Amino acid sequence: QSVLTQPPSASGTPGQSVTISCSGSNSNIVSYYVYWYQQLPGTAPKLLIYRNNQRPSGVPDRFSGSKSGTSGSLAISGLRSEDEGDYYCAAWDDSLSGPVFGGGTKLTVL
Amino acid sequence: EVQLLESGGGLVQPGGALRLSCATSGFTFSTFAMSWVRQAPGMGLEWISAVSSSGDSTYYADSVKGRFTISRDNSENTLYLRMNSLRGEDTAIYFCAKVGSTVVRNTSPYFDYWGHGTLVTVSS
Repeated sequence: QSVLTQPPSASGTPGQSVTISCSGSNSNIVSYYVYWYQQLPGTAPKLLIYRNNQRPSGVPDRFSGSKSGTSGSLAISGLRSEDEGDYYCAAWDDSLSGPVFGGGTKLTVL
Repeated sequence: EVQLLESGGGLVQPGGALRLSCATSGFTFSTFAMSWVRQAPGMGLEWISAVSSSGDSTYYADSVKGRFTISRDNSENTLYLRMNSLRGEDTAIYFCAKVGSTVVRNTSPYFDYWGHGTLVTVSS
C-alpha cells in the first residue's frame, strides 16, 4: 500500500477530459514537487509532468498537472485511444527518506 | 539521443545472486545521479536504489537494504545493481532511470529517461 493514493481506474470517451488524483500527506506532497509518469502497455514509464505542472518537451499540452495542499492532479483533455495505459504520481517522502510512487491509475478510453 | 539499456536479468533460484547493468549514451553520465526502479508483475512502480553522480553516495529502500548494491563506472557510462540473497518478492522488471537535473537531490523522483527494463525472476 503506497503512501500516495491514486484511484485504481479512470475512464472516458474520446475527446472527453479526465482528471486523476494523487493524495498524499504532510510528509510528501505538501512540501515537495509532484511528478507524473505514463506507462503505456508493455513499455517503460515516461515522464509526463515534472515539478507539479511542467511538461517536458514533446508532451502535448493536453496533459496538465497541478498541486494543492496534500494532493496532486493530472488532467488529460481531448482523450485519445493512445492515452490508454497506467499513470503514476511520485513525490519525495520525508518519513521514508526517499521517493515514493502512487499505486497507479489505469486509464481506459471507451 | 539519450539511451539507457539494461541487461543481466534472468531466472535465479531463491538465495541466488545477479548483477544488472545499464549501459547509457547520449548524455554526460558522470554529471547525473541514477536510480533503479522495479515493477513486480501486474503491480506498480517501486524505487529501490540511487547513486550520486560521482558514485560516492548510495541510497536504498528498506526492502533491499543489505542485499542489493548499486554502483557506477563513469568511465564506461554504465550503472550496476548487484543483487544478493534474492527472494521471490524480488521478481520484477528492473528499470534504470536517469535523474532529470543536476541540481536536485540524488534520490529525487524526477526521472526524465528510463530504460526498457530487464526481467528478474526468482524461482526454484
